[in-house]
Amino acid sequence: QSMPTQPPSVSGAPGQRVTISCTGTSSNIGAGFNVHWYQQRPGTAPKLLIYDNDNRASGVPDRFSGSKSDTSASLVITGLQAEDEADYYCQSYDSSLSGSRVFGGGTKLTVL
Amino acid sequence: QLQLQESGSGLVKPSQTLSLVCNVSGGSISSDGQSWSWIRQPPGKGLEWLGYIYHSGSAHFKPSLKSRITISLDRPNNQFSLRLTSVTAADTAVYYCARAIGGYGDYFDYWGPGILVTVSS
Repeated sequence: QSMPTQPPSVSGAPGQRVTISCTGTSSNIGAGFNVHWYQQRPGTAPKLLIYDNDNRASGVPDRFSGSKSDTSASLVITGLQAEDEADYYCQSYDSSLSGSRVFGGGTKLTVL
Repeated sequence: QLQLQESGSGLVKPSQTLSLVCNVSGGSISSDGQSWSWIRQPPGKGLEWLGYIYHSGSAHFKPSLKSRITISLDRPNNQFSLRLTSVTAADTAVYYCARAIGGYGDYFDYWGPGILVTVSS
């Protein structure tokens, strides 16, 4: 079972566009399993942002979008705002050991 | 609106058993098409899925924890619980309960606020 890989940190100025990558393996993302994204602000529980690769959860602004291709997925945030500063996690299913859900290591987004 | 709330001991001694309960309100844990998970986050680190139990009662666990973990349903009280035996300092974390929907590719759409559990003598 292998955890998807995310960059530890990304940053951008207000109004800019940032992309967070999530690179998996042939037993999770590469096997065709869906990817989901969560936002976690300090001291709070994670919040579902994107589900099934590219669907925004209820109430999520259209500045957030997701995509998936082969063994990787991406979260794109446009029109960056100060409130977007948070940790972001991707999540998928891993078939190498039955029943396992796996999270990426997380990416800290800093709004400059 | 579904709500989840974790409760239990915030301090556990090494080698003892960690026990947490997740109370679910606004929906039934016995409804079809959903599973109930425990996820933890050590201080300053990322998220780790521990295991889940389906509405039917069947459960699956992270392989590395299989010998120490139990998740069970309490249908009359609309709760589910986590037991983790033989804890060490490495089990110190914020523990979240969450609901998942979506089958094999499921995702966690509702989370509890989390409870910090510290393993220390």
